[in-house]
Amino acid sequence: NAGVTQTPKFQVLKTGQSMTLQCAQDMNHEYMSWYRQDPGMGLRLIHYSVGAGITDQGEVPNGYNVSRSTTEDFPLRLLSAAPSQTSVYFCASSYIWGGTGELFFGEGSRLTVL
Amino acid sequence: GQQVMQIPQYQHVQEGEDFTTYCNSSTTLSNIQWYKQRPGGHPVFLIQLVKSGEVKKQKRLTFQFGEAKKNSSLHITATQTTDVGTYFCAEKTSYDKVIFGPGTSLSVIP
Repeated sequence: NAGVTQTPKFQVLKTGQSMTLQCAQDMNHEYMSWYRQDPGMGLRLIHYSVGAGITDQGEVPNGYNVSRSTTEDFPLRLLSAAPSQTSVYFCASSYIWGGTGELFFGEGSRLTVL
Repeated sequence: GQQVMQIPQYQHVQEGEDFTTYCNSSTTLSNIQWYKQRPGGHPVFLIQLVKSGEVKKQKRLTFQFGEAKKNSSLHITATQTTDVGTYFCAEKTSYDKVIFGPGTSLSVIP
C-alpha cells in the first residue's frame, strides 16, 4: 500500500512562476487536505475536500487553488509563486465515516520561491 | 475563528525525566487528536479522544481530555531519545477539517 504520495519532494521556483504539487492516495479516503508548515507556525490548513467535486478553503487559502476530480487525487496549484509561499507542504487524507479519525500524511514537498 | 494553543513551545529534558505538553482552547472542542512529527519527517497520528474526562494510555504516553472539553494533555513518562520530535494537538471539526495547534518541540538530552 503506497498510502499518500506527494510529488515533487523538492522544488525551486522563481517569483511569478506557476506550479502544481501533486497528491494521490490509494486508501479510498473521502477527505483530503493540504497544509503548509513554517517554523514556529505549526501546520496551517490551506484547502480541503470531503469528496470528488467538493473543495473548501482552510485557514490560509490565498494564492492557492485546488480541484478534486477524482477520489484519489488532490493537486495544489500555485498560480504566481511568491517568496512568502516558501514552505514545506503536506498532503493528508482520512476517512470521514468510520475509522479513528486518523489523518494520513504524505512525506512532504519542500518549496523554495526565490 | 477557532484557535488551539499549546504550551510549552519548546521543552528540553534529560533522558529519563517526564514530559507534559498542554493543549488549550477558548471554545469547547468536539474531539482532540495528537500527532508526533520526528525531525525531517511527517506528522504521525497518535490518538483521538472524544469523551469528556477521557484518559487513554499507550505504553509510556498518557493522554487526557478535560472535563469541559476545552483542554488536553499528553504526558510521557521516563523520556527516551526516541521521543524527540514535535507533538501537535488538533481538532477534527464538525466540517471534517482538522485544525492543528502550533506544537511543542521536545528535545531529549542523553
